[in-house]
Amino acid sequence: QQQVKQSPQSLIVQKGGISIINCAYENTAFDYFPWYQQFPGKGPALLIAIRPDVSEKKEGRFTISFNKSAKQFSLHIMDSQPGDSATYFCAAKTGGFKTIFGAGTRLFVKA
Amino acid sequence: DAGVTQSPTHLIKTRGQQVTLRCSPISGHKSVSWYQQVLGQGPQFIFQYYEKEERGRGNFPDRFSARQFPNYSSELNVNALLLGDSALYLCASSFYIDTEAFFGQGTRLTVV
Repeated sequence: QQQVKQSPQSLIVQKGGISIINCAYENTAFDYFPWYQQFPGKGPALLIAIRPDVSEKKEGRFTISFNKSAKQFSLHIMDSQPGDSATYFCAAKTGGFKTIFGAGTRLFVKA
Repeated sequence: DAGVTQSPTHLIKTRGQQVTLRCSPISGHKSVSWYQQVLGQGPQFIFQYYEKEERGRGNFPDRFSARQFPNYSSELNVNALLLGDSALYLCASSFYIDTEAFFGQGTRLTVV
C-alpha cells in the first residue's frame, strides 16, 4: 500500500534524446509527487513535483506526466545531456507524513 | 543561505558500537527528517521531528533514536551497530511539517 514502484532500474540514452522514467503507486491518499536527482556522494535534490489535480507539469527540459486513474506518473527529460547522468528517484507523500521513495533509476547519457 | 549541513561526512564504526549523527537545518526551518539510504536503493524514512516533537517514525528498531534541540538542529543515535546499518544517512529540513524538504549531503556510515 505504501510502495512506489519505479522503472527502469537503469537507462542509457544518447545525448539529445528523451529519457523516460516511470512510477506507479497504490495509496490513493498520496497527494504530492516529487522527483529527486542524486549525484554520487550527494543528497537527493528536488527536481520537479506535481499534485494529483494536474495532469502535466513542465519546468525547462523536465516534464512530469500524471495519470490519476492509472495511479502512474512519469518523468521525461528532453534533450538529455551528459550532465543529466545521475540517479533519479520518484517519490510520493501524504500531507506532512513521510516521503516514500522509489528504488531509483540510474541514467547515463552518452555523449 | 547555507543548506542543510550534516556531520560528520564519513564515519567508520565497529559492530556493537554506538554512533551519533548531527544535522543543522536551513535557517528558519522547523522540521527535520532522517532517512537511511542503503547503496543502490531509495532513501527509507526513519524519523520526523517538528518543533522538537517526534511526528513520525519509520519501520526501524528501537536501536535508532533521535531528538531535536531548541535551535531545531537534530541528532540521530544508533546503538549496538550491525553490519547492516552501513548506509548513507540523510537529513532533510523543511519550514513546516508538510512543506518541501531539502536534503543534506548525508553521513556515510560504515560498520565493520
